[in-house]
Amino acid sequence: NAGVTQTPKFRVLKTGQSMTLLCAQDMNHEYMYWYRQDPGMGLRLIHYSVGEGTTAKGEVPDGYNVSRLKKQNFLLGLESAAPSQTSVYFCASSWGGNNEQFFGPGTRLTVL
Amino acid sequence: GQQLNQSPQSMFIQEGEDVSMNCTSSSIFNTWLWYKQDPGEGPVLLIALYKAGELTSNGRLTAQFGITRKDSFLNISASIPSDVGIYFCAGRTYSGAGSYQLTFGKGTKLSVIP
Repeated sequence: NAGVTQTPKFRVLKTGQSMTLLCAQDMNHEYMYWYRQDPGMGLRLIHYSVGEGTTAKGEVPDGYNVSRLKKQNFLLGLESAAPSQTSVYFCASSWGGNNEQFFGPGTRLTVL
Repeated sequence: GQQLNQSPQSMFIQEGEDVSMNCTSSSIFNTWLWYKQDPGEGPVLLIALYKAGELTSNGRLTAQFGITRKDSFLNISASIPSDVGIYFCAGRTYSGAGSYQLTFGKGTKLSVIP
């Protein structure tokens, strides 16, 4: 099993550009999450999903959209990137809301 | 929103020394979790604590869920070079509709001097 994988690993965008980050898990987990990690900060939840076809807002959802069309994939979109969105983005998945979250290796995004 | 105060922010210790770090909050959590993050990787769960007063060990790691449910500590005994990394505490609460929310501390960066 690959666990949780994220694509791409690194990306540089110009302000105003759009992009989609892909998260895939092969553990048949119901729940999936997107976090961002900024220097000296803990992880902050952007959006999450409790199952295929459902999404919900987390602590810092503004400027991001998500989709969960397939159970194994969770996409994070930036429609118009801003420098404040420069961060490392982590995807995670879990069996249920009260179970261990398994994290991917992260995507480092820089917005110029 | 809920906030966790994690301390210390960073530590430099000699190999073989014991390490202690803690998290406190003004809010009550149902579960306390401790994660380790290696450079360039995602966090990995070390220990999960489910009941107030619970003391749990995982090898050289020991963690406790505070009686008030507002704090937790993590101890690492006889540190080794591979203990280097960032350690995060996280508190979990039920946020309704089958969902639970994790609130993370800002992390303790551990450096081990051989």
